[in-house]
Amino acid sequence: NAGVMQNPRHLVRRRGQEARLRCSPVKGHSHVYWYRQLPEEGLKFMVYLQKENIIDESGMPKERFSAEFPKEGPSILRIQQVVRGDSAAYFCASSPPGRVDTEAFFGQGTRLTVV
Amino acid sequence: EDQVTQSPEALRLQEGESSSLNCSYTVSGLRGLFWYRQDPGKGPEFLFTLYSAGEEKEKERLKATLTKKESFLHITAPKPEDSATYLCAVGTSGSRLTFGEGTQLTVNP
Repeated sequence: NAGVMQNPRHLVRRRGQEARLRCSPVKGHSHVYWYRQLPEEGLKFMVYLQKENIIDESGMPKERFSAEFPKEGPSILRIQQVVRGDSAAYFCASSPPGRVDTEAFFGQGTRLTVV
Repeated sequence: EDQVTQSPEALRLQEGESSSLNCSYTVSGLRGLFWYRQDPGKGPEFLFTLYSAGEEKEKERLKATLTKKESFLHITAPKPEDSATYLCAVGTSGSRLTFGEGTQLTVNP
């Protein structure tokens, strides 16, 4: 999983601010997934993206959350007007094209703390 | 709705004491059963993917097996460095993974 790069590793935001989380997938991987891990809970799927396309966003909260994976650059998970309940570890994973049923490689995560 | 249940929630073993972790699942259309290891403060590390009942895979002291309703992760003669949380996940149509809540394994020297 060393190939999936997430930054920042730790992010502190005050209530009402915006949080931007970045994910650079393994080189050559065109599928990116975002998961959230709340304290004492399991990993929950949020969104699945391919380059310039959102494939499945059924796990994303309806408001304040958005994700993109542009043609160039990292995938971004954006949380507007953060609230204390957004405090969690956010993980990005990537998989190769045509192999979404095999393994997905995870990054080290961004730990968001809302104060 | 896809469901994954792992047991036990926590397991303490002595070094060398073999045991098994359980993952039971309910899905519509399994496209893979995944095992990951997660250390504190780190991301999940891929271990195995199993695709069909009867399949087995091994890696060092770990062996994963799959039936139609559950998977087992057998740990043979564990060492303290095997201490971690072990996550089970199922892949279904749509490419998302549905995770269980994990088994926290502690191996005492």
